[in-house]
Amino acid sequence: AQTVTQSQPEMSVQEAETVTLSCTYDTSESDYYLFWYKQPPSRQMILVIRQEAYKQQNATENRFSVNFQKAAKSFSLKISDSQLGDAAMYFCAYRSYLRSGTYKYIFGTGTRLKVLA
Amino acid sequence: DVKVTQSSRYLVKRTGEKVFLECVQDMDHENMFWYRQDPGLGLRLIYFSYDVKMKEKGDIPEGYSVSREKKERFSLILESASTNQTSMYLCASSLYFSFGTENTEAFFGQGTRLTVV
Repeated sequence: AQTVTQSQPEMSVQEAETVTLSCTYDTSESDYYLFWYKQPPSRQMILVIRQEAYKQQNATENRFSVNFQKAAKSFSLKISDSQLGDAAMYFCAYRSYLRSGTYKYIFGTGTRLKVLA
Repeated sequence: DVKVTQSSRYLVKRTGEKVFLECVQDMDHENMFWYRQDPGLGLRLIYFSYDVKMKEKGDIPEGYSVSREKKERFSLILESASTNQTSMYLCASSLYFSFGTENTEAFFGQGTRLTVV
């Protein structure tokens, strides 16, 4: 069964600095999708970035980028030029293929990011 | 703007009550999910459905049931609420199948914080 592990329960970063959140996963599939979601105090889960395992190139969305290491099964999120609005809970997720032909999503335990002014 | 709407943001129920959590999506998604979110445990899948009247157990189905009578609506039922079901409940939806990178993610509601006393 697939699993997703986030080993950092909490991280802090100074405003304008860069921070990296870690995520590892376990799977026997060769093609899959990985995601980072942000959950601010409003509780609304927001997609930050996604990565298809088939693509070698690391995904980037403005100040957010990933370091995808397929062989190591590692999927870290880098936030550059951190802003106060980045403070939130961040979840790493794996889209798991099912025999029924569809998917379910497996989440890690989350990393709470604090941004210091 | 795509939307997943949960009927309540906060709910307080008594032990032994039958509780209904409702979720509606307007994206014509085939898949709908119910997750439970607890500190340190992340999001855990309770049940999901990939079609009307179809349901599959997730990782923690005990004490819960679901109903999907219409494509846009997915209900989570606590047959006899207990204090250990006090938690945040998140509903999500996604496409059954998607081509390419777009629309591969799950879309979430704003969450229902349930307290059982």
